[in-house]
Amino acid sequence: KAGVTQTPRYLIKTRGQQVTLSCSPISGHRSVSWYQQTPGQGLQFLFEYFSETQRNKGNFPGRFSGRQFSNSRSEMNVSTLELGDSALYLCASSAGTPTYEQYFGPGTRLTVT
Amino acid sequence: DQQVKQNSPSLSVQEGRISILNCDYTNSMFDYFLWYKKYPAEGPTFLISISSIKDKNEDGRFTVFLNKSAKHLSLHIVPSQPGDSAVYFCAAIEGDTGRRALTFGSGTRLQVQP
Repeated sequence: KAGVTQTPRYLIKTRGQQVTLSCSPISGHRSVSWYQQTPGQGLQFLFEYFSETQRNKGNFPGRFSGRQFSNSRSEMNVSTLELGDSALYLCASSAGTPTYEQYFGPGTRLTVT
Repeated sequence: DQQVKQNSPSLSVQEGRISILNCDYTNSMFDYFLWYKKYPAEGPTFLISISSIKDKNEDGRFTVFLNKSAKHLSLHIVPSQPGDSAVYFCAAIEGDTGRRALTFGSGTRLQVQP
């Protein structure tokens, strides 16, 4: 089975712009979660989508949003970028209960200048 | 408020010896625990998990132990190999509440010396 794929792998944006990141989960996985990794805050949960619905949300401002399509692919959007949004954004997919393992993609490295 | 803590930022062991990575948690609602291995600029790779109804789970060279009363888990790697050198993250999830968010520790950098 192919793993989780994320595009693009690297991105450079300017403050105030917006960005959209894409994630394709492992075939058959219906749950997609997004995480942010920064040196200061570590790995933090952004949100989780299941069957096109946001099921869980982390403690991030409304500038961070996402969606999931009927084929389980997911996109994450960040509007009005700030310097502090520079991070590695990771997508993870899961088959759901009874196991809770999440399998991560390679990430998108976002740099905001 | 860190709900999952990995108090050792780094660990160095000799090839062939045992590596023991530790993790503590504070949230009693956590009922499933996972260990991930991560290389720089890559996503975490799932290693092994354990449900709170068990106290041990083995998979090859990796064994995870859970002590619920102490809210402590550990990952044992035997024997350690140079390819095991990476950052290891402990993660926990509140499976029963339906909150499918992994809460991660800050990671332990393992270096296995040849």
